[in-house]
Amino acid sequence: GEDVEQSLFLSVREGDSSVINCTYTDSSSTYLYWYKQEPGAGLQLLTYIFSNMDMKQDQRLTVLLNKKDKHLSLRIADTQTGDSAIYFCADHGSSNTGKLIFGQGTTLQVKP
Amino acid sequence: DVKVTQSSRYLVKRTGEKVFLECVQDMDHENMFWYRQDPGLGLRLIYFSYDVKMKEKGDIPEGYSVSREKKERFSLILESASTNQTSMYLCASKILRDSPLHFGNGTRLTVT
Repeated sequence: GEDVEQSLFLSVREGDSSVINCTYTDSSSTYLYWYKQEPGAGLQLLTYIFSNMDMKQDQRLTVLLNKKDKHLSLRIADTQTGDSAIYFCADHGSSNTGKLIFGQGTTLQVKP
Repeated sequence: DVKVTQSSRYLVKRTGEKVFLECVQDMDHENMFWYRQDPGLGLRLIYFSYDVKMKEKGDIPEGYSVSREKKERFSLILESASTNQTSMYLCASKILRDSPLHFGNGTRLTVT
């Protein structure tokens, strides 16, 4: 079946770069998404990439998409303690229903 | 900005009770979704709706039903709450199939 996989945990020091990886099994998505969830809150759209792009940069965030390997990554430069959260990648899979399939989420811990 | 409002942040209910979780969005979105979020399992889709009075089963609809009488409101109903329905419930909406999802802040439901 369709699946989106992420590693569950990443720990970095403040000021370092963080790289969160995601693989997906199939996608007809026009866009692939990264969401951020802070403790006790819902998911907030962080950034997204158009499926015919390889890279998108948005301030401290860089999204890389390798369609051949079905791999998506999110790089956060100069990671701050406020970046500590759970990060989810998501895509529409091969479905036309419009529902998003989410990875399990990567918990990013930023140490001072 | 899109606002998705879930009526309760925390709910405690007893086994066997009928539970209503309410969600309202203010952007005239056609599509609305209910997910549940559990540690280690990520987000799982319960039900979604493309339009008023329309509903579609997601991946885990058992034990749940939904109601969409008005475009802005999508209700999740637990007919007879059970302890395995203790979870974080997230409502989301979007305007088009390939649009990003906008989430509410979630309702943490505990069934005792």
